[in-house]
Amino acid sequence: KAGVTQTPRYLIKTRGQQVTLSCSPISGHRSVSWYQQTPGQGLQFLFEYFSETQRNKGNFPGRFSGRQFSNSRSEMNVSTLELGDSALYLCASSLAPTESNQPQHFGDGTRLSIL
Amino acid sequence: AQSVTQLGSHVSVSEGALVLLRCNYSSSVPPYLFWYVQYPNQGLQLLLKYTSAATLVKGINGFEAEFKKSETSFHLTKPSAHMSDAAEYFCAVSVPGTASKLTFGTGTRLQVTL
Repeated sequence: KAGVTQTPRYLIKTRGQQVTLSCSPISGHRSVSWYQQTPGQGLQFLFEYFSETQRNKGNFPGRFSGRQFSNSRSEMNVSTLELGDSALYLCASSLAPTESNQPQHFGDGTRLSIL
Repeated sequence: AQSVTQLGSHVSVSEGALVLLRCNYSSSVPPYLFWYVQYPNQGLQLLLKYTSAATLVKGINGFEAEFKKSETSFHLTKPSAHMSDAAEYFCAVSVPGTASKLTFGTGTRLQVTL
């Protein structure tokens, strides 16, 4: 069974640009969550999608957005990039989010560098 | 809101020695607790989880953790460290209703020496 796939693995952008990251969950998983990992702030929850609807959102500015497609694949977008957006962005999938003790399975992440 | 505190950002043990990584949580409702491991340039791999069943949880690679409500702790242990255990370990908490929203600790980097 294929794991969570994130593309691209590495990305270099400049300030002011925008970027789209992609995540394909494990087959059958319908919940997708996104996390940002930086040395200073650690792992922080961005948002979660289930059935194409955003269910939870972390404390990030509106420049960070996401969506989920009918096949459960998800994308996140960051507009007007800032130097502080340099991070490893991790996607995680699970069967379903509600009242669930189903663990999340993580992809290897997209490392975004802002110049 | 829930939170996790991991004591010790770096822990060093000798190969064959006991591994003990500490995690304390705060939650207003019974939590779900997890330990994840991260190797360089990789994502997070689940080691074990506590979801209100047995308080002693066994995970992969010989790791286990004990949920102690009275101490609000969920420490990770392994009887005998192996060189391949060198990695960063994260404790995380979630609560029913927002089970997919994990709150992570700051991580503990485990070094294993010969």
